Amino acid sequence: SSELTQDPTVSVALGQAVRITCQGDSLRSNYASWYQQKPGQAPLLVIYDRGNRPSGIPDRFSGSNSGDTASLTITGAQAEDEADYYCNSRDSSGHRWVFGGGTKLTVL
Amino acid sequence: QVQLVQSGAEVKKSGASVKVSCKASGYSFTSYWMHWVRQAPGQGLEWIGVINPSGSATLYAQKLQGRVTLTRDTSTSTDYMELSSLRSDDTAVYYCARDNSAADKAWWFDPWGQGTLVTVSS
Repeated sequence: SSELTQDPTVSVALGQAVRITCQGDSLRSNYASWYQQKPGQAPLLVIYDRGNRPSGIPDRFSGSNSGDTASLTITGAQAEDEADYYCNSRDSSGHRWVFGGGTKLTVL
Repeated sequence: QVQLVQSGAEVKKSGASVKVSCKASGYSFTSYWMHWVRQAPGQGLEWIGVINPSGSATLYAQKLQGRVTLTRDTSTSTDYMELSSLRSDDTAVYYCARDNSAADKAWWFDPWGQGTLVTVSS
């Protein structure tokens, strides 16, 4: 399968932890990357490879992979974390890349 | 710093073609693949395709195969995405994004261009 499945919406109380998941067969053999997108802006890489964070991304963002599921966790969510989050992976054929449908995170 | 700067917004008629450019700076252009991604209004991200460092090989999304062409000019460090036979559902923001990879198990897109809005009108 070349699909990655994400929950469309997730909410979290300010300061609490939240996990956003991404499920797909390709994740059994490839690591996911995660992107944050705020309205009117280009996507921004937040997690890559085995849960690595690019410089400038706060350490409250973390990532993990298990079986066919990748997870993005925000520990201590802040108001500025409210955004759409997308996962991405190379598909099982190795000839395409695919994005999940995106998760809209609301910080209450 | 590593930067991707894309060309400006385009308005095209149905059936026409559009060519968007992405000029890279701050790194060795011929060492990296480049992906293209689009986002229709209010929708998610859709992978379009990728071109290899020399420009000799491309991979495309099945949905767009036959209508999309990726090329690059290594002399100017510029990538191009051309989409033909435009339809109203091609209206979207088009992004270029540099490929990064590790150990043939992880790929990530960083940085991204600022995006180019392509509007297709009938």
